[in-house]
Amino acid sequence: DTEVTQTPKHLVMGMTNKKSLKCEQHMGHRAMYWYKQKAKKPPELMFVYSYEKLSINESVPSRFSPECPNSSLLNLHLHALQPEDSALYLCASSDDRGLNIQYFGAGTRLSVL
Amino acid sequence: ELKVEQNPLFLSMQEGKNYTIYCNYSTTSDRLYWYRQDPGKSLESLFVLLSNGAVKQEGRLMASLDTKARLSTLHITAAVHDLSATYFCAVDRVPNDMRFGAGTRLTVKP
Repeated sequence: DTEVTQTPKHLVMGMTNKKSLKCEQHMGHRAMYWYKQKAKKPPELMFVYSYEKLSINESVPSRFSPECPNSSLLNLHLHALQPEDSALYLCASSDDRGLNIQYFGAGTRLSVL
Repeated sequence: ELKVEQNPLFLSMQEGKNYTIYCNYSTTSDRLYWYRQDPGKSLESLFVLLSNGAVKQEGRLMASLDTKARLSTLHITAAVHDLSATYFCAVDRVPNDMRFGAGTRLTVKP
């Protein structure tokens, strides 16, 4: 099973809302990732958690706040977003060793009004 | 700074034809990945290449890696419509920090 599950699939929020994106994997992977992908562009790395610790933070604005409650779950808390934050948000996981292939979830399509 | 460049960015080809997508990267890296993305969908892992001269094949797709030239190729043999998608190469800047090329949008026409 190489499944990474993301919820919700679609999200519309206003600029004053607080919402959270969720990601779950049961492959025993110890690294989990958040990416942002704008239309017709490649994914851009936002955050990496390795063994439940934040290991990479790509200078993402503080209105995005990641959280890794345990090795299977990854959240992305959203607050006071801007319309330009509208994008597809992808979660991925990998085993953090060997081939370290990242397996991606289906994504959350976020629209900020 | 790691740069990953793909070309072409757009590729329209007829069924049955062969073509190659190129991926150049600017610094040494342990791994080179190829992913496929269908419109509105997530990314699917195709290949990971680890060493110089590595070649991997799956169906009509074959990927190769030349670490000295910092070049990977994705060769498409006898294209079919089902191969229409965007193909990304990606390189680890450091472990777990994967950087993508811009993507090649492939359209296979009957």
